[in-house]
Amino acid sequence: DAKTTQPTSMDCAEGRAANLPCNHSTISGNEYVYWYRQIHSQGPQYIIHGLKNNETNEMASLIITEDRKSSTLILPHATLRDTAVYYCIVRGVTGANNLFFGTGTRLTVIP
Amino acid sequence: NAGVTQTPKFQVLKTGQSMTLQCAQDMNHNSMYWYRQDPGMGLRLIYYSASEGTTDKGEVPNGYNVSRLNKREFSLRLESAAPSQTSVYFCASSYSKSGGSPLHFGNGTRLTVT
Repeated sequence: DAKTTQPTSMDCAEGRAANLPCNHSTISGNEYVYWYRQIHSQGPQYIIHGLKNNETNEMASLIITEDRKSSTLILPHATLRDTAVYYCIVRGVTGANNLFFGTGTRLTVIP
Repeated sequence: NAGVTQTPKFQVLKTGQSMTLQCAQDMNHNSMYWYRQDPGMGLRLIYYSASEGTTDKGEVPNGYNVSRLNKREFSLRLESAAPSQTSVYFCASSYSKSGGSPLHFGNGTRLTVT
């Protein structure tokens, strides 16, 4: 599966949109982009995933560039409870029994 | 709908003791997984079960055994615990093993082996 590159840390003001970037320049055509987050001492929480098109759900939006080499997770109105480590993961269609979490981006929402 | 439930939440073992970590999901998922998370290492796959009746090794299976008891339950057993198995263990499930099927995780079992 393709590797991803994320900034180590980011801050965001409470109530503002948090935009978390991810680079996955070696992604192949049949690999999905996933986002998870992990709040201290809890299990990873699924946020959203996509293949080619932008996606939106009740938690976030996922914007994937046309060449699919990068993506951005958008939390539209960040709250203090969104403070967590966010992981961008690329996962293949078949034989996809593993998720490589890497080190992620530590997002701190500031009051 | 509780999602993925793991028991116990915390456990301390002495070297050589055995124990079983329990995991159950109520989402009618077919695939289940066991991961461990160590500081600075990310999550590593121990074993997975693509469907009821099947199990396969992941990245770090040594020292562990698993049982897919039924569709809902997937247990992880440590036969002779070692300090190197001190970790946080997460169970996860997904509708299928396909790449388009998200995994949903439990809140973990924190195991210390002394």
